[in-house]
Amino acid sequence: QQPVQSPQAVILREGEDAVINCSSSKALYSVHWYRQKHGEAPVFLMILLKGGEQKGHEKISASFNEKKQQSSLYLTASQLSYSGTYFCGTEGGSARQLTFGSGTQLTVLP
Amino acid sequence: DGGITQSPKYLFRKEGQNVTLSCEQNLNHDAMYWYRQDPGQGLRLIYYSQIVNDFQKGDIAEGYSVSREKKESFPLTVTSAQKNPTAFYLCASSIQWGYNEQFFGPGTRLTVL
Repeated sequence: QQPVQSPQAVILREGEDAVINCSSSKALYSVHWYRQKHGEAPVFLMILLKGGEQKGHEKISASFNEKKQQSSLYLTASQLSYSGTYFCGTEGGSARQLTFGSGTQLTVLP
Repeated sequence: DGGITQSPKYLFRKEGQNVTLSCEQNLNHDAMYWYRQDPGQGLRLIYYSQIVNDFQKGDIAEGYSVSREKKESFPLTVTSAQKNPTAFYLCASSIQWGYNEQFFGPGTRLTVL
């Protein structure tokens, strides 16, 4: 089942902060975060695993609430280069395939 | 440089024709994946392969076929049975199946005329 992302879109000024949320109705083992710029491939940002392990870019922070099956991506002091569509992908249950949300479009203005 | 290559970048096809999309990786990854992306949508899994000579259907496999005869190659064939094939196709790989970051290729944009 597809995870739900919120908000669908957000517009920021450079230097402002944003939070993107991802929630699932099923128990999760991991949450992935990717950023995609228009017409390009998604780029890996972070993976959060059940039990607390995280792997990802140093400048990106995220949380994973295992009990609520929710994850949040925190973008602080946003830069123009942060613009793009952010996707969360979830793995859970017996199927270890990644299921992606429909994305959050982030626009950072100067 | 290690990475994933997809070719061609743009592909046009007439209705009723089969077409094969190429995906090659030199990352020595065991697992490979094919996703489809429609405008304004997330990625949907078509097929995946955990290891060479093995592959499994994803959520939207109907009208598609794959092979994994070599570790580095995972071609996708879009058959004439796929009713709405116009989309952006992305290939990805990961070091192992499950719970690992996926690395994506640049994608192939397929348009059916």
